[in-house]
Amino acid sequence: AQKVTQAQTEISVVEKEDVTLDCVYETRDTTYYLFWYKQPPSGELVFLIRRNSFDEQNEISGRYSWNFQKSTSSFNFTITASQVVDSAVYFCALIMDSNYQLIWGAGTKLIIKP
Amino acid sequence: DAGVIQSPRHEVTEMGQEVTLRCKPISGHDYLFWYRQTMMRGLELLIYFNNNVPIDDSGMPEDRFSAKMPNASFSTLKIQPSEPRDSAVYFCASSYPRSGDYNEQFFGPGTRLTVL
Repeated sequence: AQKVTQAQTEISVVEKEDVTLDCVYETRDTTYYLFWYKQPPSGELVFLIRRNSFDEQNEISGRYSWNFQKSTSSFNFTITASQVVDSAVYFCALIMDSNYQLIWGAGTKLIIKP
Repeated sequence: DAGVIQSPRHEVTEMGQEVTLRCKPISGHDYLFWYRQTMMRGLELLIYFNNNVPIDDSGMPEDRFSAKMPNASFSTLKIQPSEPRDSAVYFCASSYPRSGDYNEQFFGPGTRLTVL
C-alpha cells in the first residue's frame, strides 16, 4: 500500500526558531517521487520541492532544507530562523512510477508567532 | 507566464442547482487534474486527463459529477444537481512530465464552492 504520514497535525513556534516537519512514506515501488507543497492562509497550493528516489542528496534553498533518507522512508523539511510568513499548512506527497497520482499526507499546520 | 487559471473563485448556490467550474491549464502542459479539498477528507483526486483524454475518474464521488476537456486549454467540472456536502475548495492542476520523470503539478487558485 502507498501512504504518506505527517504525524504532526499542528506545530507552533516563536519566530526565529528552527522547525522540522516530518514526513514518512510507504511504497513498494523502487522508483518514486516525493514533493512538498505549501498552502498559506490565502489557500493556494505552492510547490516547494521534488525529489526522486534515486537522489538522496539533501537540498538547501535559503532558509529551507530537506533531508531525504530512504533507510527510514522519510523526507523531512526544516525551516531555519522561521518567520511569520512561513505560517501555512505544509503537505508532503508521493508519486510512484507505476501510477501517476499524487498520494497526499494530511498536512502539518505551522504557526509562527511573532 | 500565466499559471493555472480557475473560474469562478467563489461560487454560492442552492441545493439542486447545476454548478460548472472552469480551468485553463498552463500552456504546453498535457496533464490536467481536478482535486477537491475539505477539512474532513483533505485533498482528493477526482479525475485526471492526459492529452484531453480522461485517464482515471475513480475519484469522482458519484454520477452527479462529470468532467470534460474539449481541448488542450480548457476543462470543466460539473455538478448536477449540487448538494450541501459538495461544499469544498476545488483545485485544478496541470503538469508536463518529462520523459522518465514526473514534474510537479502546478495548482490554480481554487474555486470555493458553497452549496446552501
